[in-house]
Amino acid sequence: NAGVTQTPKFQVLKTGQSMTLQCAQDMNHNSMYWYRQDPGMGLRLIYYSASEGTTDKGEVPNGYNVSRLNKREFSLRLESAAPSQTSVYFCATETGALYNEQFFGPGTRLTVL
Amino acid sequence: RKEVEQDPGPFNVPEGATVAFNCTYSNSASQSFFWYRQDCRKEPKLLMSVYSSGNEDGRFTAQLNRASQYISLLIRDSKLSDSATYLCVVTPGSARQLTFGSGTQLTVLP
Repeated sequence: NAGVTQTPKFQVLKTGQSMTLQCAQDMNHNSMYWYRQDPGMGLRLIYYSASEGTTDKGEVPNGYNVSRLNKREFSLRLESAAPSQTSVYFCATETGALYNEQFFGPGTRLTVL
Repeated sequence: RKEVEQDPGPFNVPEGATVAFNCTYSNSASQSFFWYRQDCRKEPKLLMSVYSSGNEDGRFTAQLNRASQYISLLIRDSKLSDSATYLCVVTPGSARQLTFGSGTQLTVLP
């Protein structure tokens, strides 16, 4: 089992370019999440999907869109990248159990010039 | 005020030492509490959940004080492999989203 996979691992964009970050899980979890991590800020929730077919905004959704393609896949799109979106992006899935442990992918390091 | 606050450290301790981290949270309706561990340039991984009665997992002990709204993590007999950033995580209220502290960095020295 691969768990949670993310592609790409690294990406450099120019301001104004667009890209999609991919996340896939083979854990059969219903809920999936996108976070960004910046130095000194902790992880901040961008968007989440409680189940297939639903998505909701998190703490910092501006400048991003998401698609829950099916139960396994949850993508994050930057339509017009800005330097403020330089960050490490993590996808996570959730067990749905009472103490909702989340399992994270290895992350995508994005630099916007 | 941040929802979850941690001392960023760094904590530099010798092997074999006991080290404790504290974390405070602002939402008194918070339901679930966790400690995650994050190695340098890696993803966070669950270290342990924190239960109301306190819980222990080998060298690690977690405590919850709801009245004072803080969570603690005690590491006994520190190993070099314990070097990492420790993230305090809270589920605020009935929402299922996690709120992360910014982490406390620990370096265990030989």
